[in-house]
Amino acid sequence: EDKVVQSPLSLVVHEGDTVTLNCSYEVTNFRSLLWYKQEKKAPTFLFMLTSSGIEKKSGRLSSILDKKELFSILNITATQTGDSAIYLCAVRSDRYSGYALNFGKGTSLLVTP
Amino acid sequence: NAGVTQTPKFQVLKTGQSMTLQCAQDMNHNSMYWYRQDPGMGLRLIYYSASEGTTDKGEVPNGYNVSRLNKREFSLRLESAAPSQTSVYFCASSEEGFGYTFGSGTRLTVV
Repeated sequence: EDKVVQSPLSLVVHEGDTVTLNCSYEVTNFRSLLWYKQEKKAPTFLFMLTSSGIEKKSGRLSSILDKKELFSILNITATQTGDSAIYLCAVRSDRYSGYALNFGKGTSLLVTP
Repeated sequence: NAGVTQTPKFQVLKTGQSMTLQCAQDMNHNSMYWYRQDPGMGLRLIYYSASEGTTDKGEVPNGYNVSRLNKREFSLRLESAAPSQTSVYFCASSEEGFGYTFGSGTRLTVV
């Protein structure tokens, strides 16, 4: 059975801190790993990673994939209160046809002023 | 605006009632999905449609049925609602090489 495990499940930091969110996976024939940010409503897409060792960056957010060790990290530097959200990791594998994703339970991040 | 439209946004049902959640996308995506989200559980796949004319079960299909009416529309039906189906339901669509586009969600309460 495919597994996507995120850690920690929740995290409280002060504005300006740097955080690292983890996602490990055990899936049937890995295809890609995606990160989403979810505030009040629907998740919004952050990154898609398919190749090991290549960092994706967007402003203060960055992510990298290690296909040998089967994990990904999402880094947020100089956190702001607007970064408070649930961060979801999802993996596409051969478990499902098409592009169906298997999501982890998410990391709930709270950034305090 | 282009995207995924879900209706209704909120619904309260009595146990045993039926209802259909509607989803439509205008991005010409081939693949569409229904997920449910419960506190602390992430998103769990109910059903998906990899292309028009096909549907497949996901992780938690029991108690649900789906119809891919055409390329744009993918509906989710609860035939006899149960309190365990109280959840937030998200529809999404995608295309090769891109992440999902999600609808805004339906908050369903079964009493």
